[in-house]
Amino acid sequence: GQQLNQSPQSMFIQEGEDVSMNCTSSSIFNTWLWYKQDPGEGPVLLIALYKAGELTSNGRLTAQFGITRKDSFLNISASIPSDVGIYFCAGHSWGKLQFGAGTQVVVTP
Amino acid sequence: DSGVTQTPKHLITATGQRVTLRCSPRSGDLSVYWYQQSLDQGLQFLIQYYNGEERAKGNILERFSAQQFPDLHSELNLSSLELGDSALYFCASGLGTGFYEQYFGPGTRLTVT
Repeated sequence: GQQLNQSPQSMFIQEGEDVSMNCTSSSIFNTWLWYKQDPGEGPVLLIALYKAGELTSNGRLTAQFGITRKDSFLNISASIPSDVGIYFCAGHSWGKLQFGAGTQVVVTP
Repeated sequence: DSGVTQTPKHLITATGQRVTLRCSPRSGDLSVYWYQQSLDQGLQFLIQYYNGEERAKGNILERFSAQQFPDLHSELNLSSLELGDSALYFCASGLGTGFYEQYFGPGTRLTVT
């Protein structure tokens, strides 16, 4: 099972609001990845983080690689209806990839 | 459309049986990754092949095996199936050996009855 703790489990937000989610682990990772999964489809990579302390943006998405290498967060600013989906974090090190349980985001108009 | 194809889309089988899932990577990609997604275990990395060779191994059971053929398509074989093997099985492909630039297929939904 997962060894990454991802929270919150779900979020119900209004269009235009910001979204914040995070992942923590007892293990150190070399890379943090954030994915989005739409219903009936496979995950799509949103952001990859390679260095501790790194802050990376992709449009309205911003993610950070925690300084301890044991955590990461993802922010979505000014949410829109198409942001609906399940967001997964994943930590990678030494050929192993572990996923969080996912954060389900629901955006209401 | 990621360019990764998986067949079949759905599969229903009985406990104890053996099934084969097939994945064709994007044109030019040398790596194929297999994942299992279930309500109990979430998303789990199973195994990676790069250019025909096993590259990395995750939480793959001994009852499961995979291979990548010279034309780079891959098959995941699941044997002695149990009810708990019911899940979505995703294949992803990538150009290199890392996990960063992966493109996921639409998945095969396996139901074991």
